[in-house]
Amino acid sequence: RKEVEQDPGPFNVPEGATVAFNCTYSNSASQSFFWYRQDCRKEPKLLMSVYSSGNEDGRFTAQLNRASQYISLLIRDSKLSDSATYLCVPKGAGYNKLIFGAGTRLAVHP
Amino acid sequence: GAVVSQHPSWVICKSGTSVKIECRSLDFQATTMFWYRQFPKQSLMLMATSNEGSKATYEQGVEKDKFLINHASLTLSTLTVTSAHPEDSSFYICSARDQGSDSPLHFGNGTRLTVT
Repeated sequence: RKEVEQDPGPFNVPEGATVAFNCTYSNSASQSFFWYRQDCRKEPKLLMSVYSSGNEDGRFTAQLNRASQYISLLIRDSKLSDSATYLCVPKGAGYNKLIFGAGTRLAVHP
Repeated sequence: GAVVSQHPSWVICKSGTSVKIECRSLDFQATTMFWYRQFPKQSLMLMATSNEGSKATYEQGVEKDKFLINHASLTLSTLTVTSAHPEDSSFYICSARDQGSDSPLHFGNGTRLTVT
């Protein structure tokens, strides 16, 4: 089983739409979770950390379900600039490792 | 916020030559840095963990003699791709963490290597 699994997409949505991504992880010992976004041919940039109680940052809401080992990201009122690949990143076993999946591609169109 | 600088941003080299990529933490000290590689339309793959003052830890399948890592100071790690071949053409990205083990990674802007 892959350490991180995400629907690769692409998710094609119109501006203003609400879109949700899910991610499952296999390492039950993972303690920290993050969502990164990566634009084409660029480095990943941290979007938000994911806290156990769920957290919101503007139009973005992240949820964590430890029992089912999945993480979600909800984007409200999508903007064209939200078009990117979204990477769910649990901190893996050991002190430092972050394991990346292939991510979910989002394309927001006018 | 924490900044990681990577240089060069892109490089084109001939097959058989060596290429050095630098990764610097600009406003924090990083005892550990990470080197990733990403092929087109694929996920980031961790190549190795660079440890200041000691040997790097390589992931399975990554040749340590081909990808030389040096982490001589708390703010600089270098990756040297030795005897580069066209199949080494990829996007190489370094990263570092500025605080505790649960804080997120910050990435350099990446180096696009093309070997002709």
